Amino acid sequence: EVLLVESGGGLVQPGGSLRLSCAASGFTVRNNYMSWVRQAPGKGLEWISVIYSGGSPYYADSVKGRFTISRDISKNTLSLQMNSLRAEDTAVYYCARVRFDIAATKDWGQGALVTVSS
Amino acid sequence: DIQMTQSPSSLSASVGDRVTLPCRASQSISSYLNWYQQKPGKAPKLLIYAASNLQSGVPSRFSGSGSGTDFTLTISSLQPEDFATYYCQQSYSTLWTFGQGTKVEIK
Repeated sequence: EVLLVESGGGLVQPGGSLRLSCAASGFTVRNNYMSWVRQAPGKGLEWISVIYSGGSPYYADSVKGRFTISRDISKNTLSLQMNSLRAEDTAVYYCARVRFDIAATKDWGQGALVTVSS
Repeated sequence: DIQMTQSPSSLSASVGDRVTLPCRASQSISSYLNWYQQKPGKAPKLLIYAASNLQSGVPSRFSGSGSGTDFTLTISSLQPEDFATYYCQQSYSTLWTFGQGTKVEIK
């Protein structure tokens, strides 16, 4: 069974940093495309980053230069390092596995809430 | 970036109604279009991939159509559990994008 569990969410001040982790089970992160999607309170879904199985990362303009996606192969986890956080980064952050054969996101975590506020 | 437009942002319908939800891309995306259903407090659920392919386990009352820039999600007979928000997503470009979503509410 595929399972994705996010951790690391919480309250952070504007300008601060936070690191989200996503523990994967039932599959190997290294062999899959993995992405982060966020949802601000009461708003729609926003795709923010993907890392390909070969390790290449891509980012939405809204987070480029501030967020970094990475993998820990030994722990089978996905991470999102978030720096220079802004109030508009407040959202539930989902990690997700991309099925590259169908170019769609099939498996999702339960989400981690990040609140940026002073 | 490719912009995805869903309109209306919400609609009211009754159980048993046939519902069609449109989605438009700002440029051609071939058939790289997915549909997701999201209920409050839950992660999205993949319904349709590649414009018209039903994800395993999804009821057959859901169907998708379209190619290029114009796409449609159809629910043939709306059920109580279908009241939710529906998002389209393009996977044509390296930077994927979602539409703003259409919330299907009970009339």
